[in-house]
Amino acid sequence: EPEVTQTPSHQVTQMGQEVILRCVPISNHLYFYWYRQILGQKVEFLVSFYNNEISEKSEIFDDQFSVERPDGSNFTLKIRSTKLEDSAMYFCASFRDSTYNEQFFGPGTRLTVL
Amino acid sequence: KQEVTQIPAALSVPEGENLVLNCSFTDSAIYNLQWFRQDPGKGLTSLLLIQSSQREQTSGRLNASLDKSSGRSTLYIAASQPGDSATYLCAVFLYGNKLVFGAGTILRVKS
Repeated sequence: EPEVTQTPSHQVTQMGQEVILRCVPISNHLYFYWYRQILGQKVEFLVSFYNNEISEKSEIFDDQFSVERPDGSNFTLKIRSTKLEDSAMYFCASFRDSTYNEQFFGPGTRLTVL
Repeated sequence: KQEVTQIPAALSVPEGENLVLNCSFTDSAIYNLQWFRQDPGKGLTSLLLIQSSQREQTSGRLNASLDKSSGRSTLYIAASQPGDSATYLCAVFLYGNKLVFGAGTILRVKS
């Protein structure tokens, strides 16, 4: 069964460093999302992406964040200068079309900022 | 702003018991609702999707209901097993397929 994959599973970085989190969505899906979950808190929407551009972004998704679909298969989330409060589990999700069907989530990348 | 609340926050039951997890949302203008399971430190596994026009959806021992007008959904688990122990998350679809999640119910099924 097709699945969303994410790499790395765990990333440790120093504050102020740039990180890139990678996702490979399901191949025939058109809509892509990033969510995050700070330990002990709710899963929160960060950004949605369709047709090579951002569809919607949350207040969390400030200028330090960017997303890209560089090669037609990968979908990346970049954090330019990480802060301690960026430590969280980051989930990628993909979605086939616009009819509000099931969203499929990847296993997540645990980001630890020291 | 849509808020999703799940009750109880935690639940511990003996194996074999039937149980109900509750989810409520403040704005009934949702598209669909999806229930997920999350094991500790792991990703989100989709359990059931209920379309906004449906009242309920079943998969195996799981049955989810949706009452949009009252802003409620329930997840019923029949004959619980220790392997059902996990956090159960409810999420509502807003315009643009954005999901808004509840905080989850931590379920422990004792053998």
